[in-house]
Amino acid sequence: GESVGLHLPTLSVQEGDNSIINCAYSNSASDYFIWYKQESGKGPQFIIDIRSNMDKRQGQRVTVLLNKTVKHLSLQIAATQPGDSAVYFCAETNYGQNFVFGPGTRLSVLP
Amino acid sequence: EAGVAQSPRYKIIEKRQSVAFWCNPISGHATLYWYQQILGQGPKLLIQFQNNGVVDDSQLPKDRFSAERLKGVDSTLKIQPAKLEDSAVYLCASSHFGAGTGGSYEQYFGPGTRLTVT
Repeated sequence: GESVGLHLPTLSVQEGDNSIINCAYSNSASDYFIWYKQESGKGPQFIIDIRSNMDKRQGQRVTVLLNKTVKHLSLQIAATQPGDSAVYFCAETNYGQNFVFGPGTRLSVLP
Repeated sequence: EAGVAQSPRYKIIEKRQSVAFWCNPISGHATLYWYQQILGQGPKLLIQFQNNGVVDDSQLPKDRFSAERLKGVDSTLKIQPAKLEDSAVYLCASSHFGAGTGGSYEQYFGPGTRLTVT
């Protein structure tokens, strides 16, 4: 498939290590945030979301942290696997409108 | 459940020609989105429909782009005339809940249409 994000910042991690992907968002009025994973030739796939009244949410092997003071999101992936290699995007929205995606980070998992 | 369907998957046209993309969202989803994703960038929202009304089209270049969602189900996005800078992947997505409902705004994306304008 086509390669997504040829010039994106890249995070390289060893298989089995934890990964942390960061994102700065722009709109202080945003109240809902989502992390997406995009593999080559495919559309983005939902990973986890968080509302602005929370500062942490956990899923299976993933945790999202929200710091509204500095408008910062992070996605933590535990025990990173080769299948986690992809481009990761954060997205913000204000009450289900004005969706804005971040520029993306490429995660590369080394064997 | 079936996912979001898009066609065609690939399209190559010359500048100044017109092109149309089609999207069939997940059954029962109220909201449909069209995004433009230029290589190396995140998706940019072009237009958001809720049922068959427009919620947000603030970033749609209305002099050349148009979109419709007939009967609140399928949607088409058209570009006329195309420019070189329109080369991108056009993604369609749908979500169950509409804007302002307070529900999850999780979007389900289709595979996209890769447009090359020469």
